[in-house]
Amino acid sequence: DARVTQTPRHKVTEMGQEVTMRCQPILGHNTVFWYRQTMMQGLELLAYFRNRAPLDDSGMPKDRFSAEMPDATLATLKIQPSEPRDSAVYFCASGSRPLEDTQYFGPGTRLTVL
Amino acid sequence: RKEVEQDPGPFNVPEGATVAFNCTYSNSASQSFFWYRQDCRKEPKLLMSVYSSGNEDGRFTAQLNRASQYISLLIRDSKLSDSATYLCVTKAAGNKLTFGGGTRVLVKP
Repeated sequence: DARVTQTPRHKVTEMGQEVTMRCQPILGHNTVFWYRQTMMQGLELLAYFRNRAPLDDSGMPKDRFSAEMPDATLATLKIQPSEPRDSAVYFCASGSRPLEDTQYFGPGTRLTVL
Repeated sequence: RKEVEQDPGPFNVPEGATVAFNCTYSNSASQSFFWYRQDCRKEPKLLMSVYSSGNEDGRFTAQLNRASQYISLLIRDSKLSDSATYLCVTKAAGNKLTFGGGTRVLVKP
């Protein structure tokens, strides 16, 4: 049963520290999405990639967030420096043409910035 | 105003009863529509797509009203395992999904 994996599952850090979250999309999927979920804002799209190329990162604070796909099996989301307002659950999802409408979510990284 | 609006609930439903709830969307260019389900502290999972003619999947029925820009989900014969948050999702041209805030459903014995 193919799944999206994310590491770490939980991260507690102090304000100002760098945070790196990793995602392994389902093998063969060529689209990867990063979302952030909070109680107040719900699920928000931060960035997405197709065939490793960034297509849209308009939802991402550019000054501190960066997203990359070093290769087809790894997507990363970095926050530097982290702030308490970044505390949220960060989900990665992947999809595959022609069924890109269906996105498969990973279990999420629960980030707490103190 | 959010692009996809949902009643947050909770909808408290006796086991075996029927529950229905809607969501409204503001982007008239939306082309595809879905319901996702999210269990507590878990990731969202696709429940079903929503087609213009309406569609059923077992005990779940989804309807789309393009003229009024709303989508509905009906759950018949509710089970305890149906307790979850149901996310209404739209997609315009491109690949971006827009999620509603979710409707929480609690099925009680």
